[in-house]
Amino acid sequence: QLQLQESGSGLVRPSQTLSLTCAVSGGSISSGDYSWNWIRQPPGKGLEWIGSIYHSGNTYYNPSLKSRVTISVDRSKNQFSLRLSSVTAADTAVYYCARGDILTGFDYWGQGTLVTVSS
Amino acid sequence: QSALTQPASVSGSPGQSITISCTGTSSDVGSYNLVSWYQHHPGKAPKVMIYEGIKRPSGVSNRFSGSKYDKTASLTISGLQAEDEADYYCCSYAGSSTFVFGTGTKVTVL
Repeated sequence: QLQLQESGSGLVRPSQTLSLTCAVSGGSISSGDYSWNWIRQPPGKGLEWIGSIYHSGNTYYNPSLKSRVTISVDRSKNQFSLRLSSVTAADTAVYYCARGDILTGFDYWGQGTLVTVSS
Repeated sequence: QSALTQPASVSGSPGQSITISCTGTSSDVGSYNLVSWYQHHPGKAPKVMIYEGIKRPSGVSNRFSGSKYDKTASLTISGLQAEDEADYYCCSYAGSSTFVFGTGTKVTVL
């Protein structure tokens, strides 16, 4: 059974960079033609797709966040990471990592991790 | 890339059927039969209930069904049960390997 687990700093200062990692277990991040995604949910709001990476290294980002987002993959550690720069309070959210497929949607998710942007 | 439009809330009594709409544009819902629906209980990970607009993953109850017409996709829950009370989100492929979620709908079982 594939499992994803987010980790990283739960508190980030405004204007700094948010960094999260998603560890994948129970399967290889390099198998199949899946995308590995970051999705977030601000308090009291809906889900927002942030971006994705394929094992090839190709990345795709939400146009509204593209200038601040970097997603990378570490195949040796079977994990992928998110960096979001110049954060503000509006970036406070529960951040999820998820496996995706254009046809079948986001089928495996992490439990989510709350990141608060505050001084 | 704007969020897809969903009603904020929908309610129904046990045993009834409810339908949640998801309206997009010709750049997302209207262009692709690639809408998925997610059930999200607070504090838990979202769960895919429908993909490719009409298909159910293995293990998802056949009380959940999806459809699409033009730029609007819909999720119908028949035989409403207490456990169906949750937030529901649609998500559409929007081209160039990008995705857009809906605004979310809170389903209440009366």
